[in-house]
Parts: sequence; C-alpha cells; structure tokens
Amino acid sequence: AQSVTQPDIHITVSEGASLELRCNYSYGATPYLFWYVQSPGQGLQLLLKYFSGDTLVQGIKGFEAEFKRSQSSFNLRKPSVHWSDAAEYFCAVGPSAGNMLTFGGGTRLMVKP
Amino acid sequence: GAGVSQSPSNKVTEKGKDVELRCDPISGHTALYWYRQSLGQGLEFLIYFQGNSAPDKSGLPSDRFSAERTGGSVSTLTIQRTQQEDSAVYLCASSSIRLAGGYINEQFFGPGTRLTVL
Repeated sequence: AQSVTQPDIHITVSEGASLELRCNYSYGATPYLFWYVQSPGQGLQLLLKYFSGDTLVQGIKGFEAEFKRSQSSFNLRKPSVHWSDAAEYFCAVGPSAGNMLTFGGGTRLMVKP
Repeated sequence: GAGVSQSPSNKVTEKGKDVELRCDPISGHTALYWYRQSLGQGLEFLIYFQGNSAPDKSGLPSDRFSAERTGGSVSTLTIQRTQQEDSAVYLCASSSIRLAGGYINEQFFGPGTRLTVL
C-alpha cells in the first residue's frame, strides 16, 4: 500500500528565511508526486508536481521540490519565505487504482514577522 | 475558466438526518473525486468517477455514504443517518483524462463543504 509521511506537523520560520518541508513516500512503482497548499477556509491549490525527468521541479510562488528516489523523498523548498506563505502544505502521491491521491498528514507553516 | 465549485459551503445538521453535498467539476474534466478532511485523519479518499466506468467506491467508510454523478458532470455525495464522526470538510476534485504521454493530470480542488453534525 502506498503512504506519505510528513514528519513535521508544525513549522515556524521568520519572514525572509529559507524553508524546507519534508515528505517521504512509500510506493510500489514510479511515483507521481505533488505538493498542494491550503490556506484557511480554502481548497487545495497545486504548487508543483513531479512525473518524470528532471528531479528538481519548479512550481508557483517561488517553490521548488527535489525528487530523491534513493531516499524516497520529495522535499519542498523556498529560499525566502513571505508572510503570505503561512498555510498548510500537503504532499501527495499517485496514481494507484482509480488514480486517487494519497496525502500526507500536512505541515502547518507559520511565518514570524 | 471556472474552477470546481461545491455547495453548500457549510452545512449543519442533526445526528440521524440525511445530507447531500454537491460538486460541479471543471467543464470537460472526465474524472471526479471526493475526499474527506477531518481532524486527526488528514485527507482521505472516498470515491472516484472516471467517464462512464463504474466508480471506485473503495474509500467509502460505510454504507451510509453514497455518491452519484449524473451526465458525467455534476456529482452528489449523500450521507444517510449522519453521525457526529461524519463532521469534516468534504472536498471534491476533478481532472482531465490521462494524456497520451502517460501523464496523469493534476487534480483541481473545490473549496469544500464543511459538515457539522450536532
């Protein structure tokens, strides 16, 4: 069975500092990996995705993520965090039968001024 | 174009009542998904529709939950005899068909329906 682990439930960083959110997955085949962001009261917005090819993928809002097969990881990074980045971030893996996504538990990011 | 829409945005009901939640996917998207987001459980897959194929119901937590998709577009998730543990945000997502290159398109999510069962 596939699974996604986001080890950090909460992270607090200062505005302007760099950010790395961790994601580890378990999947029996080539994974399709996603990062979504959810602001309070909002749905999920796709930040970036990895299907194949270059293991460093660029997304919206200045985010990037690196796929490391040997570590079964897909960590999300941003060099300089803005106050508006405060939100909950979800890593997901797919597809499986039916193409639904399996999500990690989420990491809530707080940004200090 | 318009994104995925869901209604109502909030629903408060009494234990034992039935509720219906609606999802309007992005026009032209053939795949539709329902997920549930609850405290302590994260995001859970409920059911998946793809075109005219039989839906994948493997994520439905009990037979009180059902869903249909009419005309390959709008979907309704029905919860019968609601229980307090059904309280959650119900998210709908849609995606287009798998591309010829073998890629799966990403899922576009609606804002969700927050269900509270008293």
